[in-house]
Amino acid sequence: GAVVSQHPSWVICKSGTSVKIECRSLDFQATTMFWYRQFPKQSLMLMATSNEGSKATYEQGVEKDKFLINHASLTLSTLTVTSAHPEDSSFYICSARSDSGRSYNEQFFGPGTRLTVL
Amino acid sequence: GQSLEQPSEVTAVEGAIVQINCTYQTSGFYGLSWYQQHDGGAPTFLSYNALDGLEETGRFSSFLSRSDSYGYLLLQELQMKDSASYFCAVRSDNYGQNFVFGPGTRLSVLP
Repeated sequence: GAVVSQHPSWVICKSGTSVKIECRSLDFQATTMFWYRQFPKQSLMLMATSNEGSKATYEQGVEKDKFLINHASLTLSTLTVTSAHPEDSSFYICSARSDSGRSYNEQFFGPGTRLTVL
Repeated sequence: GQSLEQPSEVTAVEGAIVQINCTYQTSGFYGLSWYQQHDGGAPTFLSYNALDGLEETGRFSSFLSRSDSYGYLLLQELQMKDSASYFCAVRSDNYGQNFVFGPGTRLSVLP
């Protein structure tokens, strides 16, 4: 149980276009979803925390108008990178947790999305 | 601020035992978790400690001392497949909204 999927797994786009990444919890209801960015051989950098039905909480230094997050349901959150530029190229990972059971203290991670902006 | 410290790299041979330490300084503390991440993959949960002491799960054990703001992950009978990055993470609020990850420790297991 506790499977989180991400789509797409990789995407290549031209500079200036927008890219949407979906994160779904497949077999549990995710009270909270997190979006991370990770550069090669580095740690996970939290971008934002989102709860279903409310606005995402962004970490300091993360532009909310550039990285749009929507958590429309308890099983789906989306991250849209607007007007992407080459410096936005990175590995984006989502995770989900719920307020019940073992997943209260544990985050279940999606497989990640590798974004390359040309 | 909130910060976690881990060694950046650890190298050991197959069959050995390795300990990865984590010290933390956070605004709140509700538990310490450990995650494993292979290159190109997603982090996977290994263990969680909310109380002091040692938690054992197969070849992996995790220890916590809240008074020392310190924990470690112990890996026994190392295998080549254990080569990965290991992250400690602190849950710093009571509502599961704030998790702070450490910088990660890259473990290389040699034959």
